[in-house]
Amino acid sequence: KAGVTQTPRYLIKTRGQQVTLSCSPISGHRSVSWYQQTPGQGLQFLFEYFSETQRNKGNFPGRFSGRQFSNSRSEMNVSTLELGDSALYLCASSATGGGDYGYTFGSGTRLTVV
Amino acid sequence: AQKITQTQPGMFVQEKEAVTLDCTYDTSDPSYGLFWYKQPSSGEMIFLIYQGSYDQQNATEGRYSLNFQKARKSANLVISASQLGDSAMYFCAMRERNTNAGKSTFGDGTTLTVKP
Repeated sequence: KAGVTQTPRYLIKTRGQQVTLSCSPISGHRSVSWYQQTPGQGLQFLFEYFSETQRNKGNFPGRFSGRQFSNSRSEMNVSTLELGDSALYLCASSATGGGDYGYTFGSGTRLTVV
Repeated sequence: AQKITQTQPGMFVQEKEAVTLDCTYDTSDPSYGLFWYKQPSSGEMIFLIYQGSYDQQNATEGRYSLNFQKARKSANLVISASQLGDSAMYFCAMRERNTNAGKSTFGDGTTLTVKP
């Protein structure tokens, strides 16, 4: 059974550019959550999608957006990149979103903004 | 607002000994789930164990057990018979079922080092 796949694994972008990260959940999982992890702020919740609907959103500026497709794959987009957006972005999936059996995380995308 | 506190930035344990990682939480939602994750240096988060707020018994998964004390709002992770491969960062997390559906809040983590 394939795990959660995040692409790309590493990215280097320039300030002001935009970036799109991709997450393919475990087959059959309908919930996808995104987190930003930095040494200073720890793990911060970005948003969660369930069956193509955003159910919850964290406290991030509007430059951070996401969507989920009918096959449950999800993308997140960050526009007008800032140096502070450098982080490990983790995607997690679960079957129902209730998370009773925990979330399965991908290996993350490490974004560096220069 | 939901909040998770892990007061131990770093812990050391001798191989084959048991270790307890502390976690306290705060929530006004009567229905919630508590989770522990392991993050090795590779970066991937690995789900370890889950405890529901209405569960009467403490959760166990192999060498991992969760010491759930609801009145004290604590959910400590106990790792028995530590192994060198247990060296990693450990995160406690909570998910409220009614008030913040879809969102998990994580603690700052505890770095565990297992000594041979």
